[in-house]
Amino acid sequence: GAVVSQHPSRVICKSGTSVKIECRSLDFQATTMFWYRQFPKQSLMLMATSNEGSKATYEQGVEKDKFLINHASLTLSTLTVTSAHPEDSSFYICSASGTTNEKLFFGSGTQLSVL
Amino acid sequence: LAKTTQPISMDSYEGQEVNITCSHNNIATNDYITWYQQFPSQGPRFIIQGYKTKVTNEVASLFIPADRKSSTLSLPRVSLSDTAVYYCLVGAFSGGYNKLIFGAGTRLAVHP
Repeated sequence: GAVVSQHPSRVICKSGTSVKIECRSLDFQATTMFWYRQFPKQSLMLMATSNEGSKATYEQGVEKDKFLINHASLTLSTLTVTSAHPEDSSFYICSASGTTNEKLFFGSGTQLSVL
Repeated sequence: LAKTTQPISMDSYEGQEVNITCSHNNIATNDYITWYQQFPSQGPRFIIQGYKTKVTNEVASLFIPADRKSSTLSLPRVSLSDTAVYYCLVGAFSGGYNKLIFGAGTRLAVHP
């Protein structure tokens, strides 16, 4: 099946630094990618939808200047958490779909810990 | 977007069949029903997908009644490794993919 690779799997950073998370579709072209965050014992919360070559669409309550999303190619989307603070600590998950895929494929997730 | 409702948690024992039902009363004509499994600190993993009637693969079966307002994921002979959270999602496909909103999911615990 299709594979979505997400890196890094875990990152620890100091408060105020920026962190970039990459999401790659390895064997298909992902026209649309989604970014979710998940707190312990809770469900996935959709943060934003990114389409290749256009600006991301953010869900209500998600700060677009805080969570920068770039989807410059059909195989790569990045999420940058700018000026991270402890409250940004969470599990971030990307997913991707292509024009012919009938299902969504998920990355393995990134555990962000901000000290 | 169709909202889904599932039991918050379920318990079972090894070797039993587990059925998890999901309600999606507002499902649209173009919506498919997809189930995902998630282990702690991992991304969701695709289990099965269907539109109507019954679908079966190597790991599960999906039963969808004619009105499509609910669906049931059936896991035959569960093992301890099936302990996970199971999510039911509905969404449409047509080139541009409609975003999927996750519900609370069902936390399945399989006991020895």
